[in-house]
Amino acid sequence: SQQGEEDPQALSIQEGENATMNCSYKTSINNLQWYRQNSGRGLVHLILIRSNEREKHSGRLRVTLDTSKKSSSLLITASRAADTASYFCAITRDAGNKLTFGGGTRVLVKP
Amino acid sequence: GAGVSQSPSNKVTEKGKDVELRCDPISGHTALYWYRQSLGQGLEFLIYFQGNSAPDKSGLPSDRFSAERTGGSVSTLTIQRTQQEDSAVYLCASSPRTGLGGEQYFGPGTRLTVT
Repeated sequence: SQQGEEDPQALSIQEGENATMNCSYKTSINNLQWYRQNSGRGLVHLILIRSNEREKHSGRLRVTLDTSKKSSSLLITASRAADTASYFCAITRDAGNKLTFGGGTRVLVKP
Repeated sequence: GAGVSQSPSNKVTEKGKDVELRCDPISGHTALYWYRQSLGQGLEFLIYFQGNSAPDKSGLPSDRFSAERTGGSVSTLTIQRTQQEDSAVYLCASSPRTGLGGEQYFGPGTRLTVT
């Protein structure tokens, strides 16, 4: 079952704008990861943030983590049409590293 | 290098038949995971293999589902007596290590349709 909730469920923006999506979860975590999925098939790992980290950057991506609020956000700056995809947060809670996913945010970047 | 591969990419089967889905992980990756994605349930963990340890089967939805991993590499997910609610995309992922946590590398998935 899904542990996380993401909002918004869908987001439509113009190319060049920033896109922000949020993820909330219910339990303690080892780390939180963000994945992108194009066309409903394989997922691509974007960024991982550990439970003792508060912010992380990777290129145009910025992730924050607030363990007191059990929430995370993903910011995509200067969006491009190629960023159109579904974005999922996922948490890990134990050494096995199995992922528990949120419901995802569908992002449409209009050229 | 080669990524995670899965076969078949699509499978249509009649209710009640058995199906086998295959996953070839990235060479050298010790951890292998199966997930499924359906409209109603989203992305769900099914089973996890790590080296020679006993698999974590906690996500398997029923005893009709089983999986094995031979020689620490290729894995097969078997669904017996398929039901319409088994229709989903089945995703395999591998990872070079566990314990400290890390990213998983996903295959393109197998879309299973049970008619």
